[in-house]
Amino acid sequence: ETGVTQTPRHLVMGMTNKKSLKCEQHLGHNAMYWYKQSAKKPLELMFVYNFKEQTENNSVPSRFSPECPNSSHLFLHLHTLQPEDSALYLCASSQEGIGLAGVGETQYFGPGTRLLVL
Amino acid sequence: LAKTTQPISMDSYEGQEVNITCSHNNIATNDYITWYQQFPSQGPRFIIQGYKTKVTNEVASLFIPADRKSSTLSLPRVSLSDTAVYYCLVPDSGAGSYQLTFGKGTKLSVIP
Repeated sequence: ETGVTQTPRHLVMGMTNKKSLKCEQHLGHNAMYWYKQSAKKPLELMFVYNFKEQTENNSVPSRFSPECPNSSHLFLHLHTLQPEDSALYLCASSQEGIGLAGVGETQYFGPGTRLLVL
Repeated sequence: LAKTTQPISMDSYEGQEVNITCSHNNIATNDYITWYQQFPSQGPRFIIQGYKTKVTNEVASLFIPADRKSSTLSLPRVSLSDTAVYYCLVPDSGAGSYQLTFGKGTKLSVIP
């Protein structure tokens, strides 16, 4: 148990569906992240939020829409996805995403949501 | 932009010590080195972090030579449950922010 929870753990959706992934952290952290991990590929950073403000968007398609209503909650809204978007979606948090330069804050990951797009 | 290179895979028998070496030739002066462990269908888990010389915790040791261009994660007496992917990371320092970029990692397979 890392203090980061994600729901649902598994999701199957059609290409025309709209769904949302939820992440919640109980660690009092100020930075939250969305990562995508496809089969046999490295983790890809998608979005970074610091103090509820989006600070990074790594060229993610607009069919993925993040939302961070407060420092403890992070959502990823999904619509009109493609089969190649099937992957493990991981949420993480850290104390502060912008911190002491070079330290590389420890990130705490949730268990992930396994998404299958049909 | 620091980049890391580590072996794609390693095999080890139970009870042996495993050393995984990571190269980071362009590491910046202030950068720390962090290692994560990931089991299948789970999120990565922090193992250890260091800046220089040697760091040890209850899980592993991290050896960093004086030039800091490489580091070695040492797992003592591995068991089957240590089968996982191990990632070596240094920050991607940029203007106003930094990120941890995960590479492909080293897939460790522990054999009975």
